Amino acid sequence: GAVVSQHPSRVICKSGTSVKIECRSLDFQATTMFWYRQFPKQSLMLMATSNEGSKATYEQGVEKDKFLINHASLTLSTLTVTSAHPEDSSFYICSARDFRLAGGIYNEQFFGPGTRLTVL
Amino acid sequence: AQSVSQHNHHVILSEAASLELGCNYSYGGTVNLFWYVQYPGQHLQLLLKYFSGDPLVKGIKGFEAEFIKSKFSFNLRKPSVQWSDTAEYFCAVMMDSSYKLIFGSGTRLLVRP
Repeated sequence: GAVVSQHPSRVICKSGTSVKIECRSLDFQATTMFWYRQFPKQSLMLMATSNEGSKATYEQGVEKDKFLINHASLTLSTLTVTSAHPEDSSFYICSARDFRLAGGIYNEQFFGPGTRLTVL
Repeated sequence: AQSVSQHNHHVILSEAASLELGCNYSYGGTVNLFWYVQYPGQHLQLLLKYFSGDPLVKGIKGFEAEFIKSKFSFNLRKPSVQWSDTAEYFCAVMMDSSYKLIFGSGTRLLVRP
Protein backbone atom coordinates (compact mmCIF):
# COMPACT_ATOMS: atom_id res chain seq x y z
CA GLY A 1 0.00 0.00 0.00
CA ALA A 2 0.91 3.65 -0.26
CA VAL A 3 3.14 4.85 2.56
CA VAL A 4 3.85 8.39 3.65
CA SER A 5 6.60 9.15 6.13
CA GLN A 6 7.38 12.24 8.15
CA HIS A 7 10.62 13.30 9.73
CA PRO A 8 11.20 14.04 12.49
CA SER A 9 8.44 12.44 14.55
CA ARG A 10 9.12 14.79 17.45
CA VAL A 11 11.07 18.01 17.70
CA ILE A 12 11.69 20.40 20.55
CA CYS A 13 13.16 23.78 19.75
CA LYS A 14 13.79 27.13 21.32
CA SER A 15 11.63 30.12 20.59
CA GLY A 16 12.93 32.08 17.60
CA THR A 17 14.49 29.15 15.78
CA SER A 18 13.24 27.55 12.58
CA VAL A 19 12.20 23.94 12.21
CA LYS A 20 11.90 21.91 9.02
CA ILE A 21 9.52 18.95 8.74
CA GLU A 22 9.78 16.54 5.82
CA CYS A 23 6.96 14.59 4.23
CA ARG A 24 7.84 11.79 1.83
CA SER A 25 5.77 9.45 -0.29
CA LEU A 26 7.75 6.22 -0.15
CA ASP A 27 6.24 4.04 -2.85
CA PHE A 28 4.27 6.38 -5.07
CA GLN A 29 4.59 9.77 -6.65
CA ALA A 30 2.57 12.50 -5.03
CA THR A 31 1.53 15.33 -7.31
CA THR A 32 -0.14 16.96 -4.35
CA MET A 33 0.62 16.98 -0.65
CA PHE A 34 -1.41 18.56 2.10
CA TRP A 35 -0.27 19.94 5.44
CA TYR A 36 -2.58 19.81 8.45
CA ARG A 37 -2.27 21.02 11.99
CA GLN A 38 -3.96 19.35 14.92
CA PHE A 39 -4.41 20.93 18.33
CA PRO A 40 -5.06 18.66 21.32
CA LYS A 41 -8.54 17.19 21.26
CA GLN A 42 -9.41 19.12 18.12
CA SER A 43 -9.82 18.56 14.40
CA LEU A 44 -7.14 18.36 11.79
CA MET A 45 -7.09 21.79 10.18
CA LEU A 46 -5.84 22.09 6.62
CA MET A 47 -3.02 24.62 6.48
CA ALA A 48 -1.93 24.46 2.87
CA THR A 49 -1.90 22.46 -0.34
CA SER A 50 1.46 21.77 -1.90
CA ASN A 51 1.71 21.03 -5.62
CA GLU A 52 4.92 19.71 -7.10
CA GLY A 53 6.81 22.40 -8.94
CA SER A 54 4.53 25.28 -8.02
CA LYS A 55 3.76 27.54 -5.08
CA ALA A 56 1.70 26.23 -2.22
CA THR A 57 -1.86 27.37 -1.71
CA TYR A 58 -2.50 28.49 1.86
CA GLU A 59 -5.79 28.39 3.70
CA GLN A 60 -7.27 31.57 5.07
CA GLY A 61 -5.57 32.68 8.25
CA VAL A 62 -2.35 30.71 7.68
CA GLU A 63 0.72 32.91 7.40
CA LYS A 64 2.69 31.84 4.35
CA ASP A 65 5.81 33.64 5.53
CA LYS A 66 5.59 31.78 8.82
CA PHE A 67 4.95 28.35 7.39
CA LEU A 68 7.14 27.90 4.32
CA ILE A 69 6.23 24.98 2.08
CA ASN A 70 8.38 23.54 -0.66
CA HIS A 71 7.41 20.63 -2.91
CA ALA A 72 10.53 20.22 -4.96
CA SER A 73 9.96 16.66 -6.14
CA LEU A 74 7.15 14.17 -6.61
CA THR A 75 8.09 12.41 -3.39
CA LEU A 76 9.05 15.19 -1.00
CA SER A 77 7.38 18.22 0.52
CA THR A 78 8.83 20.23 3.39
CA LEU A 79 7.19 22.51 5.91
CA THR A 80 9.45 25.02 7.63
CA VAL A 81 8.12 26.79 10.70
CA THR A 82 10.12 30.01 10.78
CA SER A 83 10.92 31.90 13.96
CA ALA A 84 8.89 29.43 15.97
CA HIS A 85 7.03 30.55 19.07
CA PRO A 86 5.29 28.53 21.79
CA GLU A 87 1.91 29.06 20.12
CA ASP A 88 3.25 27.13 17.11
CA SER A 89 3.52 24.02 19.26
CA SER A 90 1.22 21.47 17.70
CA PHE A 91 0.94 18.19 15.83
CA TYR A 92 1.64 18.61 12.13
CA ILE A 93 0.38 15.94 9.72
CA CYS A 94 0.92 15.66 5.99
CA SER A 95 -0.98 13.67 3.42
CA ALA A 96 -0.29 12.86 -0.20
CA ARG A 97 -2.16 11.81 -3.31
CA ASP A 98 -1.42 11.25 -6.95
CA PHE A 99 -3.92 13.15 -9.08
CA ARG A 100 -2.58 11.60 -12.25
CA LEU A 101 -4.10 8.23 -11.41
CA ALA A 102 -7.44 7.31 -12.95
CA GLY A 103 -10.14 8.75 -10.75
CA GLY A 104 -8.35 12.04 -10.10
CA ILE A 105 -9.88 13.72 -7.07
CA TYR A 106 -11.54 10.47 -6.06
CA ASN A 107 -8.24 8.97 -5.12
CA GLU A 108 -7.45 8.39 -1.52
CA GLN A 109 -5.23 10.70 0.48
CA PHE A 110 -2.54 8.82 2.39
CA PHE A 111 -1.50 10.26 5.70
CA GLY A 112 1.85 10.48 7.41
CA PRO A 113 2.30 9.65 11.08
CA GLY A 114 2.64 13.28 12.13
CA THR A 115 5.30 15.43 13.76
CA ARG A 116 4.91 16.80 17.25
CA LEU A 117 6.51 20.21 17.56
CA THR A 118 7.17 21.72 20.96
CA VAL A 119 8.54 25.25 21.11
CA LEU A 120 10.01 26.25 24.44
CA ALA B 1 -19.14 28.45 7.54
CA GLN B 2 -18.73 24.87 6.40
CA SER B 3 -18.17 22.52 9.29
CA VAL B 4 -18.20 18.90 10.37
CA SER B 5 -19.51 17.86 13.79
CA GLN B 6 -18.86 14.70 15.69
CA HIS B 7 -21.06 14.73 18.75
CA ASN B 8 -19.45 11.94 20.74
CA HIS B 9 -15.98 12.87 21.91
CA HIS B 10 -15.43 9.76 24.01
CA VAL B 11 -17.22 6.44 23.76
CA ILE B 12 -16.62 3.43 25.99
CA LEU B 13 -18.09 0.08 25.03
CA SER B 14 -17.71 -3.53 26.00
CA GLU B 15 -16.72 -6.09 23.41
CA ALA B 16 -19.59 -7.30 21.23
CA ALA B 17 -21.59 -4.13 21.82
CA SER B 18 -22.90 -2.26 18.82
CA LEU B 19 -21.36 1.02 17.79
CA GLU B 20 -22.77 4.10 16.16
CA LEU B 21 -20.76 7.31 15.86
CA GLY B 22 -22.50 10.42 14.66
CA CYS B 23 -21.23 12.79 12.00
CA ASN B 24 -23.09 15.82 10.67
CA TYR B 25 -21.93 18.46 8.25
CA SER B 26 -23.16 21.89 7.32
CA TYR B 27 -23.13 22.37 3.55
CA GLY B 28 -25.93 22.31 1.03
CA GLY B 29 -23.98 21.29 -2.05
CA THR B 30 -22.41 18.09 -3.28
CA VAL B 31 -20.31 16.27 -0.74
CA ASN B 32 -17.94 13.33 -0.62
CA LEU B 33 -17.75 11.71 2.79
CA PHE B 34 -15.07 9.78 4.62
CA TRP B 35 -14.38 8.02 7.88
CA TYR B 36 -10.78 7.66 8.99
CA VAL B 37 -9.39 5.69 11.91
CA GLN B 38 -6.22 6.31 13.86
CA TYR B 39 -5.04 3.41 16.00
CA PRO B 40 -2.73 4.28 18.89
CA GLY B 41 0.65 5.33 17.56
CA GLN B 42 -0.33 4.84 13.93
CA HIS B 43 -1.23 6.84 10.83
CA LEU B 44 -4.71 7.90 9.84
CA GLN B 45 -6.23 5.15 7.71
CA LEU B 46 -9.29 5.25 5.50
CA LEU B 47 -12.17 3.13 6.83
CA LEU B 48 -14.69 3.90 4.12
CA LYS B 49 -15.83 6.60 1.74
CA TYR B 50 -18.94 7.73 -0.10
CA PHE B 51 -18.93 9.52 -3.43
CA SER B 52 -22.22 8.55 -5.05
CA GLY B 53 -24.64 5.67 -5.49
CA ASP B 54 -25.82 3.43 -2.67
CA PRO B 55 -25.90 5.59 0.46
CA LEU B 56 -25.04 2.58 2.61
CA VAL B 57 -21.30 2.12 2.33
CA LYS B 58 -19.35 -0.84 3.60
CA GLY B 59 -15.75 -0.42 4.66
CA ILE B 60 -12.94 -2.43 6.13
CA LYS B 61 -13.08 -4.41 9.38
CA GLY B 62 -16.87 -4.72 9.38
CA PHE B 63 -17.60 -1.00 9.51
CA GLU B 64 -20.36 0.62 7.51
CA ALA B 65 -21.80 4.10 7.21
CA GLU B 66 -25.02 5.54 5.89
CA PHE B 67 -25.33 8.84 4.09
CA ILE B 68 -28.65 10.51 4.84
CA LYS B 69 -28.75 13.60 2.68
CA SER B 70 -31.85 15.08 4.31
CA LYS B 71 -30.17 14.93 7.69
CA PHE B 72 -26.71 15.99 6.47
CA SER B 73 -25.39 12.95 8.28
CA PHE B 74 -22.92 10.15 7.68
CA ASN B 75 -22.99 7.98 10.79
CA LEU B 76 -20.51 5.14 11.28
CA ARG B 77 -21.74 1.78 12.54
CA LYS B 78 -20.42 -1.60 13.52
CA PRO B 79 -22.72 -4.33 14.85
CA SER B 80 -20.20 -5.89 17.22
CA VAL B 81 -17.01 -4.13 18.30
CA GLN B 82 -13.78 -5.78 19.29
CA TRP B 83 -11.05 -4.70 21.67
CA SER B 84 -8.88 -4.03 18.61
CA ASP B 85 -11.30 -1.32 17.48
CA THR B 86 -9.98 0.94 20.24
CA ALA B 87 -8.87 4.01 18.31
CA GLU B 88 -9.79 7.54 17.37
CA TYR B 89 -12.30 7.94 14.56
CA PHE B 90 -12.53 11.00 12.33
CA CYS B 91 -15.30 11.96 9.97
CA ALA B 92 -14.22 14.12 7.02
CA VAL B 93 -16.09 15.85 4.25
CA MET B 94 -14.94 16.97 0.84
CA MET B 95 -17.27 19.67 -0.49
CA ASP B 96 -18.18 20.27 -4.13
CA SER B 97 -15.68 17.69 -5.35
CA SER B 98 -12.78 19.86 -4.26
CA TYR B 99 -9.71 18.10 -2.96
CA LYS B 100 -9.88 19.65 0.51
CA LEU B 101 -10.92 17.57 3.49
CA ILE B 102 -12.70 19.17 6.43
CA PHE B 103 -12.38 17.01 9.52
CA GLY B 104 -14.58 16.56 12.53
CA SER B 105 -13.02 16.79 15.97
CA GLY B 106 -12.76 13.03 16.34
CA THR B 107 -14.23 10.42 18.66
CA ARG B 108 -12.07 8.35 20.96
CA LEU B 109 -13.43 4.84 21.24
CA LEU B 110 -12.34 2.56 24.05
CA VAL B 111 -13.48 -1.05 23.85
CA ARG B 112 -13.16 -2.98 27.08
CA PRO B 113 -12.38 -6.69 26.78
